[in-house]
Amino acid sequence: GAGVSQSPSNKVTEKGKDVELRCDPISGHTALYWYRQSLGQGLEFLIYFQGNSAPDKSGLPSDRFSAERTGGSVSTLTIQRTQQEDSAVYLCASSLIRQGSAEAFFGQGTRLTVV
Amino acid sequence: RKEVEQDPGPFNVPEGATVAFNCTYSNSASQSFFWYRQDCRKEPKLLMSVYSSGNEDGRFTAQLNRASQYISLLIRDSKLSDSATYLCVVNKWDTGNQFYFGTGTSLTVIP
Repeated sequence: GAGVSQSPSNKVTEKGKDVELRCDPISGHTALYWYRQSLGQGLEFLIYFQGNSAPDKSGLPSDRFSAERTGGSVSTLTIQRTQQEDSAVYLCASSLIRQGSAEAFFGQGTRLTVV
Repeated sequence: RKEVEQDPGPFNVPEGATVAFNCTYSNSASQSFFWYRQDCRKEPKLLMSVYSSGNEDGRFTAQLNRASQYISLLIRDSKLSDSATYLCVVNKWDTGNQFYFGTGTSLTVIP
C-alpha cells in the first residue's frame, strides 16, 4: 500500500505475556519512528531508526521494550512480560531524510490492551 | 525542559470564530516546523508545514518567529469539522531527523 501499515490494529493480551507489534513504512522512507499514546495524552517518543540502526532509543521505558528493523523496511516493536501500564496506542511513523521540510507519515496504530 | 510546549486548552469556540494556537520550542537548531491535526482515536496527520515567511492554506495561517522560537496557527471562520487536537511539531534533520511533538491543543467548535 501507499501508506504506513501497522499490525495488528488491536491486541488484547494477558499480563506477563510477550507481544510483537509490526510496522511497514512507506517504501523508500529511511527514517522510522515508534511512539505510544495513552488515552487523552500526547505522543511519547520510544525509538527512532535510520536505516536498520537506532541512533536514538532513549524513549524506551524499560528493558522489557525492544525494537528492530530489518532490510531498511519493516520494524517490530517487542514488549516482554507486558504490564497493565503498557496499555496504549502504539504509533509508527516514517519519513524521508532530506534537507528541508520532510513530514512524518503515521500508521493507524496498534491499540494494545493488557488485562 | 520540553522541546516543544503548547497550551493544552481546551479551546471551545463558536462556529465562525477565529482562534489562534501558539507553540514555543526550546532548541534554536530546530530546522523544520509543522502543524499536525489529530482526530479522536485516529493517527496524527499533517495539516501544514510552517515556513519562515509565513504561509496560508485557505482558512489556516501558520507563522514562525525564529528569534523568539515561536510558532502559531490561526484558524479563521471555524467549522464544526475543525474540532480536533492540533499538534505543534519541530524537526532537526542535521542530527538524525528527529521529530519533537507538543502535547497538543484541543479545539471544539460549537454550533
